[in-house]
Amino acid sequence: DAGVTQSPTHLIKTRGQHVTLRCSPISGHKSVSWYQQVLGQGPQFIFQYYEKEERGRGNFPDRFSARQFPNYSSELNVNALLLGDSALYLCASSSLSNQPQHFGDGTRLSIL
Amino acid sequence: KQEVTQIPAALSVPEGENLVLNCSFTDSAIYNLQWFRQDPGKGLTSLLLIQSSQREQTSGRLNASLDKSSGRSTLYIAASQPGDSATYLCAVYKYSGGGADGLTFGKGTHLIIQP
Repeated sequence: DAGVTQSPTHLIKTRGQHVTLRCSPISGHKSVSWYQQVLGQGPQFIFQYYEKEERGRGNFPDRFSARQFPNYSSELNVNALLLGDSALYLCASSSLSNQPQHFGDGTRLSIL
Repeated sequence: KQEVTQIPAALSVPEGENLVLNCSFTDSAIYNLQWFRQDPGKGLTSLLLIQSSQREQTSGRLNASLDKSSGRSTLYIAASQPGDSATYLCAVYKYSGGGADGLTFGKGTHLIIQP
C-alpha cells in the first residue's frame, strides 16, 4: 500500500509569492495534519482536518490556510511568503485522532 | 502550553550498546505519545505509539515506556546497530474541548552508532 505522498518534493519561491502544497493520505485515512519543520527543530503543528472539516489549528498567521477534499487529499496554501517560511512542510495522516500518525517525506520550501 | 524536552540532544555510542533516550512533557493531560525516527532530509517514520492508559509498548529491539503522572517517557534501544543512526523525536497528542491540538514535538535526539 502507498504511504503518505506529498508534492512537490522541492520548491523555490521569492518573497511575496504564494505556494500550494499537496498531500495524499494513506488509503482509508480520513484525518490529515500539516506541520512545519525548520532546521534543527521538531515539527510545529499547523492544521488538522478530519472528514473535510478543520479540527485544529496551530499558532500560525492567517497567511496559512488549508482544505481537505472529498477524496481526503489536502492542500496547504501559504500567501505573501516570507523568508522565515523556508522549511520542510510535512503532511501526516491517520485513521483516527488516537491512532498513529504516518508522515510523508515532506516538501522542502526555500524562499529567496 | 505543552512543552516537550528531549535529553540528550546528541548521543554517539559504539555498535552493540543498549541505550536510553529520554522525553519529558509539561502537561500530563495527553491522549497518547508517539516516538519517531527521522533520517536526514526525510520525513518521519513512526516507531511506537503509547496510549495514555498504557505503560509501555515494544517492537523488536525497541521498547517505549510512559509515566503520564510524572510526564516522562523513555525509548530503549537494545543491541544498537549503525542503521539505527538517525534523529529520534518524541511527540505527545492532546485533544482539548476546542479541537485537536496536533502533535507537540521535542527537538529530538541525534543518535550516531559507531561501527
